[in-house]
Amino acid sequence: DGGITQSPKYLFRKEGQNVTLSCEQNLNHDAMYWYRQDPGQGLRLIYYSQIVNDFQKGDIAEGYSVSREKKESFPLTVTSAQKNPTAFYLCASSIGILVPYNEQFFGPGTRLTVL
Amino acid sequence: RKEVEQDPGPFNVPEGATVAFNCTYSNSASQSFFWYRQDCRKEPKLLMSVYSSGNEDGRFTAQLNRASQYISLLIRDSKLSDSATYLCVVNTPNTGNQFYFGTGTSLTVIP
Repeated sequence: DGGITQSPKYLFRKEGQNVTLSCEQNLNHDAMYWYRQDPGQGLRLIYYSQIVNDFQKGDIAEGYSVSREKKESFPLTVTSAQKNPTAFYLCASSIGILVPYNEQFFGPGTRLTVL
Repeated sequence: RKEVEQDPGPFNVPEGATVAFNCTYSNSASQSFFWYRQDCRKEPKLLMSVYSSGNEDGRFTAQLNRASQYISLLIRDSKLSDSATYLCVVNTPNTGNQFYFGTGTSLTVIP
């Protein structure tokens, strides 16, 4: 089955630790995205990548880092510099910029809690 | 100004009712428009794409008005299973193919 997987589903972090959230897709999509969702709020863009080895900051990139070494993988690292990291993290992908109506597909998300 | 604005609701409607959600977007260069559904503590899932001529999928009808930069979703004969948050989403290629999300409209269908 094609789709997007995220792991882990739940993650607990101590203050001061870096953690990495995994996102893998087998849809052969060029574009991948990371969003953060806080309770009762909309999605906010952290980072996005339109092609391998390239990525751009979104609206709330401070305290986060990403890499895009392979087309199918787009891991997100939440660093200790992120002051309020407890949230629901969603990874998404889309075919790419040249395709009209290229909707986004989402992974199941990772819930990160800082203890 | 937000890229996409939605009435957050909540909308509480009885089973069988018709309910309409509205959404406006600010960037006239936006090209693609979608409605997503998000259940509590789950990821958003595509409900339908919104085409220029308007489109219908069973009980759901989506319409786009480019001149007014306005998108709507109509749900007829509401079911209990329609209870969710509905997200209006706009794709703007000239901003690096970003997708812009409304904050969502909460719907509860009451027996």
